[in-house]
Amino acid sequence: KQEVTQIPAALSVPEGENLVLNCSFTDSAIYNLQWFRQDPGKGLTSLLLIQSSQREQTSGRLNASLDKSSGRSTLYIAASQPGDSATYLCAVQVTGGGNKLTFGTGTQLKVEL
Amino acid sequence: EPEVTQTPSHQVTQMGQEVILRCVPISNHLYFYWYRQILGQKVEFLVSFYNNEISEKSEIFDDQFSVERPDGSNFTLKIRSTKLEDSAMYFCASIQTETQYFGPGTRLLVL
Repeated sequence: KQEVTQIPAALSVPEGENLVLNCSFTDSAIYNLQWFRQDPGKGLTSLLLIQSSQREQTSGRLNASLDKSSGRSTLYIAASQPGDSATYLCAVQVTGGGNKLTFGTGTQLKVEL
Repeated sequence: EPEVTQTPSHQVTQMGQEVILRCVPISNHLYFYWYRQILGQKVEFLVSFYNNEISEKSEIFDDQFSVERPDGSNFTLKIRSTKLEDSAMYFCASIQTETQYFGPGTRLLVL
């Protein structure tokens, strides 16, 4: 059974800092990995999707990497801003497991002025 | 930009009552999903739906749950007899190729 873990559970940084969020998964037979943002009481906004054959994806200040063999992904946020404050979730889609996503517990990020 | 919508945003119900949560997926998407998130816990998969039938369901999705696509646009989740532990945020999602797009959620509170 696929298990997804995210560390740290919470992170507080000053504005402007670069930061890295970590995601690990137990079953390396994944089809893709997706990073989401969740604001309090709100839905999930897709940030980046990395195919299993890819090593990284970039969107603006966000860069996500994937090391399938070691079961890890990182989300790098450059020059963090207060508006980046949210919970960041990673989710994996397992090969042959339908299209369902298995989610991690999330990292709650606070970017302070 | 097209988006997934859900109604209602909040629902309060008494234990044992039936609730129907509604979703309008993105119009050209083919796969539809329900997930739930109990407060403070992970987002959990409930069920996936394709070609007018359930393609996969989790252990959580027991006989008290059902899904339906009554017309070309709506996708519903029915809970027949709600329990206290059904209190959660319920998310609908849809997909065309790979990226899953989530709705804003319905917060269900069972008293």
